[in-house]
Amino acid sequence: EAGVTQFPSHSVIEKGQTVTLRCDPISGHDNLYWYRRVMGKEIKFLLHFVKESKQDESGMPNNRFLAERTGGTYSTLKVQPAELEDSGVYFCASSQGTQKSDEQFFGPGTRLTVL
Amino acid sequence: LAKTTQPISMDSYEGQEVNITCSHNNIATNDYITWYQQFPSQGPRFIIQGYKTKVTNEVASLFIPADRKSSTLSLPRVSLSDTAVYYCLTITGGGNKLTFGTGTQLKVEL
Repeated sequence: EAGVTQFPSHSVIEKGQTVTLRCDPISGHDNLYWYRRVMGKEIKFLLHFVKESKQDESGMPNNRFLAERTGGTYSTLKVQPAELEDSGVYFCASSQGTQKSDEQFFGPGTRLTVL
Repeated sequence: LAKTTQPISMDSYEGQEVNITCSHNNIATNDYITWYQQFPSQGPRFIIQGYKTKVTNEVASLFIPADRKSSTLSLPRVSLSDTAVYYCLTITGGGNKLTFGTGTQLKVEL
């Protein structure tokens, strides 16, 4: 069974540009989460989808970040325009259960560098 | 703002028992405490989960005191391959907010 995949693995962009990150969850997992780890800090929750609906987007830092999950399958996280402080590793995770504390399966992450 | 804190790093030798504690004094009352392991260039991977007292599986044990304001991950006999970052994950803020601990870098040597 394929795990959670993320694309790209690395992205280097300039301040002001736009970047779109993609996450493909494990097939059949209704729950999809986005997290990010900024250099030297802990992993922070960004948002949670249940199927195509945003269940909780309280962790989204500002309106430069837009997440979508059309059709309830893969998800995209777009940063527009990117700022220097957006650099970090963005993780996606999926789970089958209905509770936030249920086991989550993480992708390898996308390392974003904003210059 | 209460944080979920862990020691930054720990060193151990092969064959020893390692205990990593996470302090989560703002934990929600009804949710599980989960621990994850992360290797470089990979996402976190589930190790163990518990609600209270003690839970044991094939790789680790998890000890949770009655007040649930902390939890301790116990790795019984570590090997070199256990070198990784270990995170606790809790639900805080009244049952709504997913919160990772600050992470503990475990280094196991021969």
